[in-house]
Amino acid sequence: KAGVTQTPRYLIKTRGQQVTLSCSPISGHRSVSWYQQTPGQGLQFLFEYFSETQRNKGNFPGRFSGRQFSNSRSEMNVSTLELGDSALYLCASSLIAGARHEQYFGPGTRLTVT
Amino acid sequence: QKEVEQNSGPLSVPEGAIASLNCTYSDRGSQSFFWYRQYSGKSPELIMSIYSNGDKEDGRFTAQLNKASQYVSLLIRDSQPSDSATYLCAVIRSNDYKLSFGAGTTVTVRA
Repeated sequence: KAGVTQTPRYLIKTRGQQVTLSCSPISGHRSVSWYQQTPGQGLQFLFEYFSETQRNKGNFPGRFSGRQFSNSRSEMNVSTLELGDSALYLCASSLIAGARHEQYFGPGTRLTVT
Repeated sequence: QKEVEQNSGPLSVPEGAIASLNCTYSDRGSQSFFWYRQYSGKSPELIMSIYSNGDKEDGRFTAQLNKASQYVSLLIRDSQPSDSATYLCAVIRSNDYKLSFGAGTTVTVRA
């Protein structure tokens, strides 16, 4: 079974631009979560989608948004990029949402903002 | 108090030894616990999940859970250089089911 895929793998943007990242979950998985990983802050939760609905949201500004499509694929968007948005953005999928869901990560998108 | 705390490391062990990693969590209602391994420059890989008190073994890995003490540990037996990585403890919060991660412990296995 294919794993979680993320595109693009690497991205360089300038301040003020916007970016859209894409995630395709493992086949049959309906929950997709997004995380930001930086050396200083570690892994931080951005949001979770299940059946096209946002179930949870982390403590990030409104510049960070996401959505999920009917085929469970998900996108996240960051508008008005700042230097501090440079990070590894990880998508994780799970079969269902809830207390016992094991999450499997994709390879990530490394975003550099200059 | 952080939601998930891990011993800061780095942890250096000789090849063949046991590496012991510890994790404590603050949410007494948490029921699901995970260990992820992350190699430098790669994404986290799920290596163990544990839901009940006691030990769970998978190959050279043993996860231990003590809910009363709010403590999870991971033992790596017969450590190999390929085990050199950062190990992340993760806990599902009971109120909103978010997955909360510790800062990670970096393990180096010396040949």
